[in-house]
Amino acid sequence: AQTVTQSQPEMSVQEAETVTLSCTYDTSENNYYLFWYKQPPSRQMILVIRQEAYKQQNATENRFSVNFQKAAKSFSLKISDSQLGDTAMYFCALLNTNAGKSTFGDGTTLTVKP
Amino acid sequence: DAEITQSPRHKITETGRQVTLACHQTWNHNNMFWYRQDLGHGLRLIHYSYGVHDTNKGEVSDGYSVSRSNTEDLPLTLESAASSQTSVYFCASSESNQGGQETQYFGPGTRLLVL
Repeated sequence: AQTVTQSQPEMSVQEAETVTLSCTYDTSENNYYLFWYKQPPSRQMILVIRQEAYKQQNATENRFSVNFQKAAKSFSLKISDSQLGDTAMYFCALLNTNAGKSTFGDGTTLTVKP
Repeated sequence: DAEITQSPRHKITETGRQVTLACHQTWNHNNMFWYRQDLGHGLRLIHYSYGVHDTNKGEVSDGYSVSRSNTEDLPLTLESAASSQTSVYFCASSESNQGGQETQYFGPGTRLLVL
């Protein structure tokens, strides 16, 4: 079985500052992907960033970057220069590439304050 | 542009009725998934399919069924709707490559209320 844990139900950050969302996971697989999804109030699921487990280099997408610590099974998301539009719920997810099934954390609600 | 759509976007039904939620993708992806998301929680897998005529149960499959008669569609049926099935339902699709399954892309969701 695989698990994903997001220990921060809610976080807030001032506009233009940096915030880090935490995620830990557990899996017995060697081949997997990790994702961060954003879910704004519209409830749509939007892919923010993904990381292949075999890659040592941390993924980066504009203001979003991850700190992937494979041995520690940790996958945190850093949002730099936070914007009001970043206000959303953020989900960490683990995809077992062999089985093709994803497991999601319970989410972190991020509020960016003006 | 390729996309994944769900219909209806909102649905209200009564307990005991059969309900079918549609999911249609134009990416020609082999893999399709149905999740439910309850308020304040992440997504839980209901059913999934790796190709035409293939269906598999996820972690919360009781009371739900799917069928895959073509690549583009994976309708989700609630055989006899229950209030516990009030939720937001997301469909997703992904492609497979030599390394296994690829990133899942999600539809906009269907809000279902069972009275």
